[in-house]
Amino acid sequence: SQQGEEDPQALSIQEGENATMNCSYKTSINNLQWYRQNSGRGLVHLILIRSNEREKHSGRLRVTLDTSKKSSSLLITASRAADTASYFCATSSSDSWGKLQFGAGTQVVVTP
Amino acid sequence: DSGVTQTPKHLITATGQRVTLRCSPRSGDLSVYWYQQSLDQGLQFLIQYYNGEERAKGNILERFSAQQFPDLHSELNLSSLELGDSALYFCASSPGTETQYFGPGTRLLVL
Repeated sequence: SQQGEEDPQALSIQEGENATMNCSYKTSINNLQWYRQNSGRGLVHLILIRSNEREKHSGRLRVTLDTSKKSSSLLITASRAADTASYFCATSSSDSWGKLQFGAGTQVVVTP
Repeated sequence: DSGVTQTPKHLITATGQRVTLRCSPRSGDLSVYWYQQSLDQGLQFLIQYYNGEERAKGNILERFSAQQFPDLHSELNLSSLELGDSALYFCASSPGTETQYFGPGTRLLVL
């Protein structure tokens, strides 16, 4: 079973626009991570936010975490064609020894 | 490049057969994780090893087994393969219990 659910399932935007995707999860977490996957290839770690953090930035990425609502959002600003990929949130809970539970992912297509 | 290597990249085999997938973690990482990605199940955690010892088990079938060797590389053994075992199998490694670095995956096709 999957811990997280991403919304939307798919997103199509033009270069320069912002892309926002959301992730909801069910149980208490230690941290939440976002990964990117380009068409069936390996997952690339984007950013990690701990349960005691509310917002984090990395380059064009901004992640928020609301533990009271059990939700997180990933914002990609000024998107580029190279951002076309699937984005997954993954949660790690305190009793999990670091194992990650992934959501179903959001497929993002950025057109030039 | 994450520093995690997996071999082979692709595997095509028949039902009932047995295969071994290999993973070399990033230098210094003691934890190795195995995940399965399929169209119907998404990304599922299979098993975790830390410094040679099994630490956590997820949705791993009894037909599947894994181990981590003294040099920290890991192998995932899949036996009595079924059509439904066709998937991408990822290995990841981490220095602790936070950020995991994923390998490129092994694409398994069972015919």
